[in-house]
This record gives sequence, C-alpha cells and structure tokens, in this order.
Amino acid sequence: NAGVMQNPRHLVRRRGQEARLRCSPMKGHSHVYWYRQLPEEGLKFMVYLQKENIIDESGMPKERFSAEFPKEGPSILRIQQVVRGDSAAYFCASSQAGGSTEAFFGQGTRLTVV
Amino acid sequence: DQQVKQNSPSLSVQEGRISILNCDYTNSMFDYFLWYKKYPAEGPTFLISISSIKDKNEDGRFTVFLNKSAKHLSLHIVPSQPGDSAVYFCAASRAGGGADGLTFGKGTHLIIQP
Repeated sequence: NAGVMQNPRHLVRRRGQEARLRCSPMKGHSHVYWYRQLPEEGLKFMVYLQKENIIDESGMPKERFSAEFPKEGPSILRIQQVVRGDSAAYFCASSQAGGSTEAFFGQGTRLTVV
Repeated sequence: DQQVKQNSPSLSVQEGRISILNCDYTNSMFDYFLWYKKYPAEGPTFLISISSIKDKNEDGRFTVFLNKSAKHLSLHIVPSQPGDSAVYFCAASRAGGGADGLTFGKGTHLIIQP
C-alpha cells in the first residue's frame, strides 16, 4: 500500500516558466491538501481538494497558482510564470475523509527557480 | 499573523531524559491538534493527536497535553532516543482534523545528545 506519492522530487525552473507538481494520494483517499514550506518557515496551507472540486483555496496566491484533482489521475499544482520567491518545498497530503482523520504527507517536491 | 506558535526553534536533550516541546495557539476555534515529525528531505510524519474534548493523549513514549484555557499544548517524549532527533511541527485544525487544512507552527528542531 503505497503512501502519498509526489513527483518530481526536485524541479528546477527558470523565471517565467511553468511548474507542474503532481500528487497521487494514498489508495482510498479522496481528500488532497497542498502545503508550501518556505525556508525557515513552517508549512503553510494552500488548498484543499476533493475529486473534481476545490473545497478551500484560501491559502493560494491569487495569481499564477492553480490546483486541480481530476476524476482520474493525480492532483496537480500548477505555478505559471514562476519567480524566485516561488522556490520552496511543496508538500501534498491526503486523507480518507475530512473531519478527524489524520492526513498523510508525501515526501514533497523541492522547487528551485533560477 | 501566526495562529500556531512554537517559540523554541531548537531544543537539545540528553538521551534517556524527557523532551518537552511546547506549542501555543491563538484561535479559539481550533478543536483538534496534531504533532508531526519531520526528517530532512522527507515529508512530515503524523505522530500523535488530541481532540479538544480531552486534556491528555498517550501513545507509547509520546504524550500530548492540552490546556484549553491557556491555549497551550505540549508533547512529551520519554525516554528520548537518538532517532527522535528531527523537527517537530505542531498543527491545529478547526474542523476535527483534515478538513479546512491544518495550520502549522514553524517547528522545533529537537536534538538528542548521546
């Protein structure tokens, strides 16, 4: 039973390019959360999705960032026209349901913008 | 606005002694609290949680205490072992954990000395 899978583990993009981060939740999990960890900071909530629905995107920057969790396939966090300040570790977590279920985290994608 | 605060960036404890990690929160709507452990280049791993209806939860060497009136929780690890050296994140949720995303503190780096 594989855990939460994120790919790629490391991603390097030049300023202005697009970054696409993928997250496959644990088997049987239909809730996905994306978090960002900036250097010397804790994890910051970005977005919460269920299959085909965005439930809460209050932590997402208003521009350039988008997320989806299609009926089939992984959840995608997309960052358009990346800037240096987007360099961070992006973590995905999944849970079986909302409520009191603990979320399980993937190993993260480290994005470096050069 | 830091709603979950871990005021000690690092803590050094001798092997075999008790480690006490502290966490304060400001949002009285939080009703579920979790501790995660994180090794470098890995995702956070769930450790232990507590609901606001309890004041203590114990799991092996790990015990979490919650003081609602003080908006304070602590994680006790006893006895501390070298493998406990990691960054520990305190997290809180408004909706019983999982839903709405988690609000994390900045983490405390625990160092267990032999």
